[in-house]
Amino acid sequence: DAGITQSPRHKVTETGTPVTLRCHQTENHRYMYWYRQDPGHGLRLIHYSYGVKDTDKGEVSDGYSVSRSKTEDFLLTLESATSSQTSVYFCAISQTGEGYEQYFGPGTRLTVT
Amino acid sequence: AQTVTQSQPEMSVQEAETVTLSCTYDTSESDYYLFWYKQPPSRQMILVIRQEAYKQQNATENRFSVNFQKAAKSFSLKISDSQLGDAAMYFCAYRSPNDMRFGAGTRLTVKP
Repeated sequence: DAGITQSPRHKVTETGTPVTLRCHQTENHRYMYWYRQDPGHGLRLIHYSYGVKDTDKGEVSDGYSVSRSKTEDFLLTLESATSSQTSVYFCAISQTGEGYEQYFGPGTRLTVT
Repeated sequence: AQTVTQSQPEMSVQEAETVTLSCTYDTSESDYYLFWYKQPPSRQMILVIRQEAYKQQNATENRFSVNFQKAAKSFSLKISDSQLGDAAMYFCAYRSPNDMRFGAGTRLTVKP
């Protein structure tokens, strides 16, 4: 299995509070991604990174920000959590380019009450 | 925007039989890749098979094969000799240089 960990694995938080999810990889892959998974929608791309301090928006980026200060860490921040952000969040990594397989982390279940 | 459609929310197959999962996509790109991912109850996403759009030959991985029809923008997954361990959610995915899209998924049940 690819060396990808996500923390925390589960979190319950209240509306309006800030939340940060962490993705850590030991594979030295260049690309890192954050997705959310909701019933009926599959996975949707939130943000991705193609290098340290290089990030770009995905399909559903509103309400989320990301940072990547080291190759191995990619942080997803919800500045002020809302109930609509209750979801399962997946981090993924890939070596480079669109043809390469993405390896996924175990997921984080976030509940916003 | 590119879209990926899986028209079968649920499918069922008898153990040892063959099942085909459907996927269609919409794109104006000429260079892209297509994938099928499996997600068992453990929630882990596992790559099943990959197809490069520039290749005419259909990809095959053991019991898994695809029927890639580029003109029709269709990318179906065939599972032969189905096993109980194949039971999972299956997601079709499209990837181009600046985009990555998943379908809503098909839940496959395998009956013993």
